[in-house]
Amino acid sequence: QSALTQPASVSGSPGQSITISCTGTSSDVGTYNVLSWYQQHPGKAPKLMIYEGTKRPSGVSNRFSASKSGNTTSLSISGLQAADEADYYCCSYVGNTRVFGTGTKVTVL
Amino acid sequence: QVQLVQSGAEVKKPGASVKVSCKASGYTFTSYYLHWVRQAPGQGLEWMGIINPRGGTTTYAQNFQGRLTLTRDTSTSTVYMELSSLRSEDMAVYYCARGGSYHFDNWGQGTLVTVSS
Repeated sequence: QSALTQPASVSGSPGQSITISCTGTSSDVGTYNVLSWYQQHPGKAPKLMIYEGTKRPSGVSNRFSASKSGNTTSLSISGLQAADEADYYCCSYVGNTRVFGTGTKVTVL
Repeated sequence: QVQLVQSGAEVKKPGASVKVSCKASGYTFTSYYLHWVRQAPGQGLEWMGIINPRGGTTTYAQNFQGRLTLTRDTSTSTVYMELSSLRSEDMAVYYCARGGSYHFDNWGQGTLVTVSS
């Protein structure tokens, strides 16, 4: 199972909106609507940001949202803040296994 | 609150095995699957495997078949990850993570495994 493809880096200025794509295949992203997204700050464990495609856990800002089209899912961050600077990973369920995206470093300019 | 507390850092020689523990608290241990995920230095997340604490059944990523063993002790609400035949590429931070339906809703603090002769 190959890793899902994400852009290596995305950047934006404070207050702007950015979108991170995550592209898989018809065997993973295209089939399952249970994708999740994780935020990871340096030296920290990942944190769940989006689950089951579009849901936000309690405590996660509504500035984070996700969508899916075909074999690609996307995470959007609106009103970009300095605290959003981190690595972001998508993850897909694939028949009782899981596959992560390659990861995207978000930089707040 | 849900807590996953992992054992401390390990230093191992190539060819050796390592066993990392993950002690769960704050919820019913047998009600949630537990996953293991690793992250090599400067690299991304890699899913390793999953264990059902209720029955002990496991599924491993193809990359780790034959080298990875996940076990659990329901009396202490602890899961164990053992990786054998260690090589330099196995140097990483290893995380346990509680499984929600299809996601990971709580993570351990991570355990650094160093492989060096």
